[in-house]
Amino acid sequence: DIQMTQSPASLSASLGETVTIECRASEDIYNGLAWYQQKPGKSPQLLIYNANSLHTGVPSRFSGSGSGTQYSLKINSLQSEDVASYFCQQYYNYPTFGGGTKLELK
Amino acid sequence: QVKLLQSGAALVKPGASVKMSCKASGYTFTDYWVSWVKQSHGKSLEWIGEIYPNSGATNFNEKFKGKATLTVDKSTSTAYMELSRLTSEDSAIYYCTRGYYGYNFDYWGQGVMVTVSS
Repeated sequence: DIQMTQSPASLSASLGETVTIECRASEDIYNGLAWYQQKPGKSPQLLIYNANSLHTGVPSRFSGSGSGTQYSLKINSLQSEDVASYFCQQYYNYPTFGGGTKLELK
Repeated sequence: QVKLLQSGAALVKPGASVKMSCKASGYTFTDYWVSWVKQSHGKSLEWIGEIYPNSGATNFNEKFKGKATLTVDKSTSTAYMELSRLTSEDSAIYYCTRGYYGYNFDYWGQGVMVTVSS
């Protein structure tokens, strides 16, 4: 199994701030990585796929980057509606997810 | 628009089975794989397996082989997952989701909460 280690587990940030969430794979996943946002009581929503491709309808303040085993999700100019949990997911092999990052407002 | 409508919450006894449904609309059901994902206690996510409605072909996470059975009814654009020999470890929310260019999950059902309790 490819293990996905996500950090930090929780994060507190202010409105307008830039936030970065990291994800490390246990082996090279060749950009086979997606990011999801999950708001409380809701289903996950796809944000980014192929490590850096923005899914349809996702605001441009979200961006993804990385390669090999190291990937990150950046949120520019944090908005109140961005309060959520974020998960990375690799799909180089059968899908596995990171442990999640809970983002709160400071 | 694309929708995946899942069946309602279930309370089941240990050792029993539960079968849940996922009705797709707004797209050609047979063109996309349907995956099932488990989320325990608001924590992270586990991929259970997938089914291709056109052929019925399936792939599973090794952990869920023997636990989950995936089927489809093409006539009603509905995917099903049955979980057997339930224990407390199976208490979770189960989502169906559509695979977009492989394992990017672009649409999700609302989830089914399964509680295993005597």
